[in-house]
Amino acid sequence: DTGVSQDPRHKITKRGQNVTFRCDPISEHNRLYWYRQTLGQGPEFLTYFQNEAQLEKSRLLSDRFSAERPKGSFSTLEIQRTEQGDSAMYLCASSHDNEQFFGPGTRLTVL
Amino acid sequence: GIQVEQSPPDLILQEGANSTLRCNFSDSVNNLQWFHQNPWGQLINLFYIPSGTKQNGRLSATTVATERYSLLYISSSQTTDSGVYFCAGNSGYALNFGKGTSLLVTP
Repeated sequence: DTGVSQDPRHKITKRGQNVTFRCDPISEHNRLYWYRQTLGQGPEFLTYFQNEAQLEKSRLLSDRFSAERPKGSFSTLEIQRTEQGDSAMYLCASSHDNEQFFGPGTRLTVL
Repeated sequence: GIQVEQSPPDLILQEGANSTLRCNFSDSVNNLQWFHQNPWGQLINLFYIPSGTKQNGRLSATTVATERYSLLYISSSQTTDSGVYFCAGNSGYALNFGKGTSLLVTP
């Protein structure tokens, strides 16, 4: 049973650089979600895909953030012109129905 | 969005003790999950429990949907139970998380 995978697991970047994260959902899960978690807080919703369609975006997803799921399988999350406030754990989840399963996350540090 | 309140925020137990974690929701949810976050940040699914009661080994959970709360029971706690426990619920696509209960089980 292959769970949700994310790559890279850790990313250190300098302010102003662009970064891209990848998420591979559980096979045959048509729903995919991105969340962000900062220290001491619970995860916060960023965006949701059903197959390749992006159906919902949070107000947290500023115009520097873009997410894609071009073939309805894996997804990418890109952050342009990173800021120190973007430092967080970025979590991906997938589901077949209502129950969501999370990946190990990508921990981003912006220096 | 739905507000989720978890209590207590922190809990220290001696190995073998029992505990109850609570989660209150500001509005009705049609999906409710409990997670355990390990030290590496991975969220481990404990229960999917929009209503009713479920048990899995030393853990059990009860959700009273009409009163908008859920309880997680941990019995005979072990040091490996340490970590942060989150509940989350939604009425749409997005899960809304509480701030978690940080549990430390001491030998």
